[in-house]
Amino acid sequence: QVQLQESGPGLVKPSERLSLTCTVSGVSISAGYYWGWIRQPPGKGLEWIGSIYFTGNSYYNPSLKSRVTISVDTSKNHFSLRLSSVTAADTAVYYCARDLIYDIRVDSFDIWGQGTMLIVSS
Amino acid sequence: QSALTQPPSASGSPGQSVTISCTGTSSDVGGYDYVSWYQQHPGKAPKLMIYEVSKRPSGVPDRFSGSKSGNTASLTVSGLQAEDEADYYCSSYAGSSNFGVFGTGTKVTV
Repeated sequence: QVQLQESGPGLVKPSERLSLTCTVSGVSISAGYYWGWIRQPPGKGLEWIGSIYFTGNSYYNPSLKSRVTISVDTSKNHFSLRLSSVTAADTAVYYCARDLIYDIRVDSFDIWGQGTMLIVSS
Repeated sequence: QSALTQPPSASGSPGQSVTISCTGTSSDVGGYDYVSWYQQHPGKAPKLMIYEVSKRPSGVPDRFSGSKSGNTASLTVSGLQAEDEADYYCSSYAGSSNFGVFGTGTKVTV
């Protein structure tokens, strides 16, 4: 059974950088799927942040691209999100998820982590 | 690239049907058959209900169905049940040089 689990600090100060990790269990992250990050501000809709393949090939939402880095560590079977210069607008539940189709990015996610709340506040 | 447009709310009585629309452009919904629908209950992660316009993942009741015409996709929930009350989001692939886009979300009330 494939499971994803996000982990992160919970609280970050404005202008700092946030780092989140998604640990994958039940399948190797090198199995050939794309892995994505999606966020949801309180009371609002979903926003795709970016996706990465186990080779490191990544795609980002242009609205966040200058501040976002997604990386993968196959030895630890996890992938990570880094977002720099955070503001209150980055306060959200952050989800990691697996893209649906093997070896192809289709931005359709069939397995999700439970989500981790990140608050940006001084 | 803008979010896909969904009605803010929809409702129906138990046993009835409700249909939610998702309008995009020829660059996303109209251009690819990678339209998905997600169900989200409060405080929970989204759950994939429909993928590739009309396919259901294993375990999703056949009361949920999807379709697409031009730049608009639709989700129909037939035989509404209390547990169908949730937020629903559509999403679409928009090409390898673009990024995935979600809909604005629809709150379904039973």
